[in-house]
Amino acid sequence: EPEVTQTPSHQVTQMGQEVILRCVPISNHLYFYWYRQILGQKVEFLVSFYNNEISEKSEIFDDQFSVERPDGSNFTLKIRSTKLEDSAMYFCASSEGTDHYEAFFGQGTRLTVV
Amino acid sequence: KQEVTQIPAALSVPEGENLVLNCSFTDSAIYNLQWFRQDPGKGLTSLLLIQSSQREQTSGRLNASLDKSSGRSTLYIAASQPGDSATYLCAVARMDSSYKLIFGSGTRLLVRP
Repeated sequence: EPEVTQTPSHQVTQMGQEVILRCVPISNHLYFYWYRQILGQKVEFLVSFYNNEISEKSEIFDDQFSVERPDGSNFTLKIRSTKLEDSAMYFCASSEGTDHYEAFFGQGTRLTVV
Repeated sequence: KQEVTQIPAALSVPEGENLVLNCSFTDSAIYNLQWFRQDPGKGLTSLLLIQSSQREQTSGRLNASLDKSSGRSTLYIAASQPGDSATYLCAVARMDSSYKLIFGSGTRLLVRP
């Protein structure tokens, strides 16, 4: 069964460093998303991406964040200068973009900023 | 602004019980509602999707209902098993260009053998 895959599963980085989180969405899907979940809190929307551009972003998604679909299969989230408060589980999701818009999530990348 | 609330926050039941998890949302202008399962430290597994025009969906021992006008959904789990122990999340998609999901905080379920 097709699935969304994310790498790495866990990343530890020093404050101020750049990180890139990678995702391979389901191949025929058209909508791509990044969400995050800080430990003990709700899953929060960060950004949606459709037709090679950002369709919506949240207040959290400031200039330190960027997304890219560099090669038609990967979907990446870059954090330019990580802060301690960026520590969270980051989830990638994709949706086919037909009648149902059912979202399928990856297993997540746990980012720890030290 | 859409708010999603789930009650109860935690639930502990003996194996075999039927149980109901509740989800409420403040803005009825939704496109769909999804129920997810999350195991500790893991990703989100989609359980059921209900379109805004539907009243319920069933998958195996799971049944989800939707009352859009009152802003409520329930997830019914029949004959619960220890393997059902997980956090159950409810999320609604708005009728806008991105169909992003707004999540509740989840119900943490423990099914005791």
